[in-house]
Amino acid sequence: RKEVEQDPGPFNVPEGATVAFNCTYSNSASQSFFWYRQDCRKEPKLLMSVYSSGNEDGRFTAQLNRASQYISLLIRDSKLSDSATYLCVVYDTNAGKSTFGDGTTLTVKP
Amino acid sequence: GAGVSQSPSNKVTEKGKDVELRCDPISGHTALYWYRQSLGQGLEFLIYFQGNSAPDKSGLPSDRFSAERTGGSVSTLTIQRTQQEDSAVYLCASSLWLADNEQFFGPGTRLTVL
Repeated sequence: RKEVEQDPGPFNVPEGATVAFNCTYSNSASQSFFWYRQDCRKEPKLLMSVYSSGNEDGRFTAQLNRASQYISLLIRDSKLSDSATYLCVVYDTNAGKSTFGDGTTLTVKP
Repeated sequence: GAGVSQSPSNKVTEKGKDVELRCDPISGHTALYWYRQSLGQGLEFLIYFQGNSAPDKSGLPSDRFSAERTGGSVSTLTIQRTQQEDSAVYLCASSLWLADNEQFFGPGTRLTVL
């Protein structure tokens, strides 16, 4: 079993749709959690951090459930420009190790 | 300001040759990370540096892989006696501190071993 697991998709949605991605992690010592975005043949870039209290940035909402070791990302009112691969990242500060999920691919269509 | 840079951007080599990949982190960033990404796969964590120190090298795939960082800045990842399975994109990232939220990635080095 992988340390960080994501549904690979692909998710194909129309513009304006709401889409949710899930991620589970196995290392209970993990302290920090993030969503990164990676466009085709480009490097990953931070989308947002994930907090237990939930956090929102415009159309994006991230949520963390430590008890269930589960992370989610919700995208509302999808835009064509949201098409990318979304990577769930779990960080063990003590070990200095970032573990990336394999990513979920989103394609938003007109 | 300048981001993370990596060189070369592409490297084609023959099986059995040694290669050296270079990463220039953002100035002032103390933490540096190496990953590799095979086609269609996620990122595989290789090693991190806090300053010039790499406390844990267990993520390196084999003893053919080594990495160093000097002057708290430039890092090199060396692969000896390359094999075809080493073909991947090697990504470097840096962050201000080890526990900092955001890692800034370089564009990667695409390594092809023939």
